[in-house]
Order: sequence, then C-alpha cells, then structure tokens
Amino acid sequence: NAGVMQNPRHLVRRRGQEARLRCSPMKGHSHVYWYRQLPEEGLKFMVYLQKENIIDESGMPKERFSAEFPKEGPSILRIQQVVRGDSAAYFCASSQVDVLISGANVLTFGAGSRLTVL
Amino acid sequence: DQQVKQNSPSLSVQEGRISILNCDYTNSMFDYFLWYKKYPAEGPTFLISISSIKDKNEDGRFTVFLNKSAKHLSLHIVPSQPGDSAVYFCAASVGNAGNMLTFGGGTRLMVKP
Repeated sequence: NAGVMQNPRHLVRRRGQEARLRCSPMKGHSHVYWYRQLPEEGLKFMVYLQKENIIDESGMPKERFSAEFPKEGPSILRIQQVVRGDSAAYFCASSQVDVLISGANVLTFGAGSRLTVL
Repeated sequence: DQQVKQNSPSLSVQEGRISILNCDYTNSMFDYFLWYKKYPAEGPTFLISISSIKDKNEDGRFTVFLNKSAKHLSLHIVPSQPGDSAVYFCAASVGNAGNMLTFGGGTRLMVKP
C-alpha cells in the first residue's frame, strides 16, 4: 500500500501560468482533502471531495482555484493564472469513511507538492 | 482570526527528558483534537487524538491533556528521543469532520542527544 501519492513534488511556474497538482489517495480511500500551508503557517483546509463530487469547498479561493476527483484517476487541484501569493505547499489527504457521518476518522496525508511562483 | 494557536515556534529538549508542547484554541465548538507530526519533506502523520469528553489520552510515550475550561491542550512526550525531532501540529475540529480540521502554526521540537 503506497499511501497517498502526490505529484509533482516540486513545481515552478511563472506568474500567469497554470499549475496542476495531482493526488492519488490510499487504496480503498474514497474521500480526498486538499490543504495548503503557506510559509511559516499551519495547514489550512481548502476542499473536500468524494468521487465525482465536491462535498465542501469552503476553504477554496473563489477565483482561479478548482478541484476535481473523477471516477477514474487522481484528484486534481488546478490553479489558473498563478500569482506569487500562491507559492505554498499543497497537501492532499485521504480517508476511508465519510467523516461527516462517522465519529472516528483520521486523515492520511501525502508528502505534499511545493509550488513556487516566480 | 487564528482559532488554534501554538505560541512556541520551537522547543529544545535533552534526550530522555519530557517534551511539553502547548496549544490554545478559541472556538468553544471544537470537540475533537488531534496532534500531527511532520518531518521535513514529508506530509503530516497522525500521532494522537482526544475528544472533548476526556481530559487525558495516553499512547505509549505520548500523552495528550485537554483543559476545556482554559481551552488548552498539551502533548507530553516522555522520554523524548532524537527521532522525535520534528514539527508538531495541533489540530481541532467540530465533530471530527476532516474537512473542518483547523491547524495551529506548529512547534518545531529538537531533541538533543
């Protein structure tokens, strides 16, 4: 079991370009979460997805950011027209159960994708 | 508005001694608390948790204490080992919903041999 796999681990983009970050959850996990860690800060929730559904995107910026978790393939976090303030580590986590219903759940995090915007 | 705060950005402890990491929160709706540990270039890994119905949870060398009236929790590691050197994040949620995990800024623990 390879755990939560994120790629690329490092991504450099110039202002105005697009960034795509991919996340494959742990085997058997159908719930995916994206968190962002800005320099010198803690992780901040962005979005929670199940297969083909966005459950909660309350932490996602309204513009330029989008996320999907298709029926086949990894979850994608897409940032359009990147700006310097988007430079951060983006962590994906997965879980097995529906956290909105279950009383017991722990997220398993990937190693993160570090985005640098020049 | 930082709802979860870790006021000590770093802590240095001698091997074999106790490490105490502190965390304060402001949202009284939080009822589930977790500690995650993070090594450089890796993602956070779950360490220990506690629900608001308890004031202590112990797992081996790790114990988490919760003081609801003070809105304060702490993680005790005893005895500390050099391999414990990492950044520790406190996190809180309402009803243990993963999408509502609010993290503190982290404390970097250095355990000296």
